[in-house]
Amino acid sequence: SQTIHQWPATLVQPVGSPLSLECTVEGTSNPNLYWYRQAAGRGLQLLFYSVGIGQISSEVPQNLSASRPQDRQFILSSKKLLLSDSGFYLCAWSPRGTVGSGNTIYFGEGSWLTVV
Amino acid sequence: GNSVTQMEGPVTLSEEAFLTINCTYTATGYPSLFWYVQYPGEGLQLLLKATKADDKGSNKGFEATYRKETTSFHLEKGSVQVSDSAVYFCAASGGYQKVTFGIGTKLQVIP
Repeated sequence: SQTIHQWPATLVQPVGSPLSLECTVEGTSNPNLYWYRQAAGRGLQLLFYSVGIGQISSEVPQNLSASRPQDRQFILSSKKLLLSDSGFYLCAWSPRGTVGSGNTIYFGEGSWLTVV
Repeated sequence: GNSVTQMEGPVTLSEEAFLTINCTYTATGYPSLFWYVQYPGEGLQLLLKATKADDKGSNKGFEATYRKETTSFHLEKGSVQVSDSAVYFCAASGGYQKVTFGIGTKLQVIP
């Protein structure tokens, strides 16, 4: 069966510090990978998605970046965090193929980031 | 692009009450529709889905029917329990590998 893990689960970082959140998927090949952010009262916002190694699409201009160094690894980074980066970050994957055909998106456990 | 509209809540119900959470969408083409649930402190879990018009998704006593004519996918449950307290997200697929989520509706069930 497929599993998705992301870490760390919680993180408290000072403004201006770097960020690295990691996510790995097991039990599948060539997944589509996603990073979402959930801010209080704002629902889920798609930040990045990737359909293959080195292929990253950004949905929202910001000081975050994403990388996919391996097929089942997805990393969310920042060089300098802002207070507004605080939130709950969710990694997710879906099977290869269009989501429009009914493929489900599966989420990781989430990472709480507090920028102080 | 697609959009999904749902009430933010919170929705507060007594145990065994009937639940409806409305969801409407705008999309080009024929999206697949989803309901996800998020329990406190956890990630999102798929609750149910429907991939074409008139399909009914169901799971754990929850149901939602894909209504193309009204572009809706309302979530219903006949008798809620305290353990159903969570945030519920409606979502619609569309575009290239993307799913658009609603803002999430917080449900609180009191004994």
